[in-house]
Amino acid sequence: KNEVEQSPQNLTAQEGEFITINCSYSVGISALHWLQQHPGGGIVSLFMLSSGKKKHGRLIATINIQEKHSSLHITASHPRDSAVYICAVPDKLIFGTGTRLQVFP
Amino acid sequence: EAGVAQSPRYKIIEKRQSVAFWCNPISGHATLYWYQQILGQGPKLLIQFQNNGVVDDSQLPKDRFSAERLKGVDSTLKIQPAKLEDSAVYLCASSLDTDGTQYFGPGTRLLVL
Repeated sequence: KNEVEQSPQNLTAQEGEFITINCSYSVGISALHWLQQHPGGGIVSLFMLSSGKKKHGRLIATINIQEKHSSLHITASHPRDSAVYICAVPDKLIFGTGTRLQVFP
Repeated sequence: EAGVAQSPRYKIIEKRQSVAFWCNPISGHATLYWYQQILGQGPKLLIQFQNNGVVDDSQLPKDRFSAERLKGVDSTLKIQPAKLEDSAVYLCASSLDTDGTQYFGPGTRLLVL
């Protein structure tokens, strides 16, 4: 069993839909990262979370330390959100397998 | 007394990209060390400086790693290009001299995707 599990592995959505990607981890952490990787390989760090909730534009990330669970939400999804989303625990050098999101017009 | 400072604390890059780490040792410490600690393993000495001269770089992968300590104080460690197996914690330490107690910085955690 991976120490960081993501679900779903693949996700398709229509433009405008609300999207949730989940990440569960079994190790103790000080912070968790959400990363976005677009086709072609560019990686962007979206959030670094150690507690609570963060919001940036249409993206919201939450973390529940007690339940060892984090979620990434995308409101009003758009085709340009199509990418692979990865949760990572950098201080343990481990990361999830990624969720491939495709948003269709 | 200020301890050993390192930056950045975290770095996430793609393979084949370049990355640089910085270390500021304790004031007056002549000897500076860079270590690589891969998860689950002990630290491996990459390079040791005495002032601005290299004492030991036998375990430094010189095809991709380089380090300098031009003025005998701060030091930078560079990886170019990075590989997946470079994911590790990079620790900097300093000591008054080569036989002295080593004081470690907080480390830089590198993740290569």
